[in-house]
Amino acid sequence: KQEVTQIPAALSVPEGENLVLNCSFTDSAIYNLQWFRQDPGKGLTSLLLIQSSQREQTSGRLNASLDKSSGRSTLYIAASQPGDSATYLCAVVNNAGNMLTFGGGTRLMVKP
Amino acid sequence: DGGITQSPKYLFRKEGQNVTLSCEQNLNHDAMYWYRQDPGQGLRLIYYSQIVNDFQKGDIAEGYSVSREKKESFPLTVTSAQKNPTAFYLCASSPTSFDEQYFGPGTRLTVT
Repeated sequence: KQEVTQIPAALSVPEGENLVLNCSFTDSAIYNLQWFRQDPGKGLTSLLLIQSSQREQTSGRLNASLDKSSGRSTLYIAASQPGDSATYLCAVVNNAGNMLTFGGGTRLMVKP
Repeated sequence: DGGITQSPKYLFRKEGQNVTLSCEQNLNHDAMYWYRQDPGQGLRLIYYSQIVNDFQKGDIAEGYSVSREKKESFPLTVTSAQKNPTAFYLCASSPTSFDEQYFGPGTRLTVT
């Protein structure tokens, strides 16, 4: 059974810092991996989707990488801002395309 | 406006009552999903539907039921058999089960 782990569980950084969030998964037979943002009490907003054949995806200040063989993905946030404060979740889709498994999330706080 | 709607935003029920959560999408997506989120945790899959008139159990289906009679709608019933129903419930959809998932705003259910 696929297990997804995110480290750290919580992170607090000063504004302007570059930071890396980590996601690991136990079964490398994935179809794709998604990174989401969740604000308190809200639904999820999709940030980036990486297909299993891709190594990375970029959107603005966000860059996500995928190393399928080692079961790892990272989300890099450049020049962090207080508005980036949220919980960041990663999730993987299995090769059958019928199951999205989530990590527990990293709660990020960017201090002004 | 295209998107996923969930209603109501907050729902309160007495123990022993069944309750139905609404999820509607006008994105013409084939696949729809229900997740449960407990405080400080990631999302767990309850049920998913890859196409109308078909649905499968996820990781935590016990005490829940769904129907998919229309493409746009995927209601979730929380039955009295669910031992710990108080949680935040999120609905999602995607063009197919292999594609990026889009989430609704969620329904917070409190059972006392």
